[in-house]
Amino acid sequence: NAGVTQTPKFQVLKTGQSMTLQCAQDMNHNSMYWYRQDPGMGLRLIYYSASEGTTDKGEVPNGYNVSRLNKREFSLRLESAAPSQTSVYFCASSPILVTEQFFGPGTRLTVL
Amino acid sequence: ELKVEQNPLFLSMQEGKNYTIYCNYSTTSDRLYWYRQDPGKSLESLFVLLSNGAVKQEGRLMASLDTKARLSTLHITAAVHDLSATYFCAVDRAGYALNFGKGTSLLVTP
Repeated sequence: NAGVTQTPKFQVLKTGQSMTLQCAQDMNHNSMYWYRQDPGMGLRLIYYSASEGTTDKGEVPNGYNVSRLNKREFSLRLESAAPSQTSVYFCASSPILVTEQFFGPGTRLTVL
Repeated sequence: ELKVEQNPLFLSMQEGKNYTIYCNYSTTSDRLYWYRQDPGKSLESLFVLLSNGAVKQEGRLMASLDTKARLSTLHITAAVHDLSATYFCAVDRAGYALNFGKGTSLLVTP
């Protein structure tokens, strides 16, 4: 099992460009999450999906949209990237909400 | 608002020494998680603490939870270099997500 996978691993964008971060899990988990990690800030929740077909805002949702494409996949879209969105983005999944979460390898995004 | 505070944020310790990392949180929760992150890597689950008084041990690390004091500790025994990493605690936030502390960066030196 691959666990949680994310693509791409690295990305550089110019201000105003758009992109989608992809996440997939093969553990048959119901819940999936997107976090961002900034130096000295810990992890902050952007969006989460309790189960297939549902998505909800987390702590820092502004500037992002998500799609729970199916049970396996949960994507994060930046419609118009800003330098403040430079960060490392982690996708995670768990069997149900707020049980032990399993994290993907992360995407390092730089917005110039 | 649920706040999770870790102490210390940076820790340099010698091999062979013992030390404790503290995780305080501001609202009632019975579930607390500890994760480890190596530089440039993802987060790896270390411990899941699901009730008051829970104690888990893995190698040189031992985690405990006191829900009445809203405190969890991660105790390191006889530190070795391989334990150098950043350690995060995370607390159940209102039943839908985890709220993470800022992390404790641990460096174990010879």
